[in-house]
Amino acid sequence: DARVTQTPRHKVTEMGQEVTMRCQPILGHNTVFWYRQTMMQGLELLAYFRNRAPLDDSGMPKDRFSAEMPDATLATLKIQPSEPRDSAVYFCASGLQGINTGELFFGEGSRLTVL
Amino acid sequence: SQQGEEDPQALSIQEGENATMNCSYKTSINNLQWYRQNSGRGLVHLILIRSNEREKHSGRLRVTLDTSKKSSSLLITASRAADTASYFCATDEGSQGNLIFGKGTKLSVKP
Repeated sequence: DARVTQTPRHKVTEMGQEVTMRCQPILGHNTVFWYRQTMMQGLELLAYFRNRAPLDDSGMPKDRFSAEMPDATLATLKIQPSEPRDSAVYFCASGLQGINTGELFFGEGSRLTVL
Repeated sequence: SQQGEEDPQALSIQEGENATMNCSYKTSINNLQWYRQNSGRGLVHLILIRSNEREKHSGRLRVTLDTSKKSSSLLITASRAADTASYFCATDEGSQGNLIFGKGTKLSVKP
């Protein structure tokens, strides 16, 4: 049963600490998306990779956020230093993209609380 | 950036009734997708409709797309309490293939 796996599922940290969230996309998928979900803003696209290359990270605060795909089985989203306003649920999704973007498969999310 | 905008923001109906949710978007698209999210869970893909299609069915779901009005609707027929969830439309943005979500419609189906 193929699924996107995200860790950690929950994280509580203090302001100023580094936070790293990890995602294992579905084997064979060539696109990975990172989204942030809050009540106020809804689902915001943070970063988008195709074949491990970053295509769009315009939605990501560059001064503190970074996203990478060290290999095809791992995507990471790092926040350093974290701030209370970063509290949200972070979702990773993967898909198999041909000419256009098709169906995305979402992980269960990483709920981050920054105190 | 928010491409799709759903309407209404919240919808409460009785079991057995039909639920209709609408989505409007701003730029040209290749396809439009609908997703469902149960509370505390990740999103689950429901249906994809291409820009050259006008209507698509999947079980109790019916999706329409009007590219001239830049709008789509999702109809759930004979709703069940288990349909209670948030529903999101998502559109791609040109050649990059970014998938942008609206803020969703929260559907509550009362037994």
